[in-house]
Amino acid sequence: DADVTQTPRNRITKTGKRIMLECSQTKGHDRMYWYRQDPGLGLRLIYYSFDVKDINKGEISDGYSVSRQAQAKFSLSLESAIPNQTALYFCATSDPGTGHQPQHFGDGTRLSIL
Amino acid sequence: AQSVTQPDIHITVSEGASLELRCNYSYGATPYLFWYVQSPGQGLQLLLKYFSGDTLVQGIKGFEAEFKRSQSSFNLRKPSVHWSDAAEYFCAVANSNSGYALNFGKGTSLLVTP
Repeated sequence: DADVTQTPRNRITKTGKRIMLECSQTKGHDRMYWYRQDPGLGLRLIYYSFDVKDINKGEISDGYSVSRQAQAKFSLSLESAIPNQTALYFCATSDPGTGHQPQHFGDGTRLSIL
Repeated sequence: AQSVTQPDIHITVSEGASLELRCNYSYGATPYLFWYVQSPGQGLQLLLKYFSGDTLVQGIKGFEAEFKRSQSSFNLRKPSVHWSDAAEYFCAVANSNSGYALNFGKGTSLLVTP
């Protein structure tokens, strides 16, 4: 089984719908992250969380919200989806400490908004 | 804030030839640097990282990278490329201002020809 699991893997939906992307991990890591990947832009940070009570906005948080239900679960929501949120979304985890801890990525959720 | 630049969007090499992918970083202190690889339909896999010590770091799959402070670079190399190395490669730096989330370059797409 994968250490970082994202569901669904693919989703097609319509403008204005509410969507939730889920991430769960078995690595026991405290830190969890949501990134968005667009062609030619690399990955950009949406939100990050140090623990259940510590959630922080990233570079591109507008239009998104998150919930850290437990140490192992970190969900990303689009309250009212719009076409320019069509992208590949990645969840990642890491151990606490300074920046030398590598991040471990899920396989991504491909989201298309029509 | 810490950032990285990957000057090459696409690179084509012949199988068996050597490879060098460029990465330049922007940060005053010693950065935490990473190279990740993304195969089609997959998440990101860590190839190697640098945060201190020996400036030549070895990674998985026969890759290595050299940290050069004088040139603000962290280039990825491989002596002999295999067809299975065709993928997207991302250089990233840990951002101390956002919980050591990663700031990614825009990626270099590697094509390997027979």
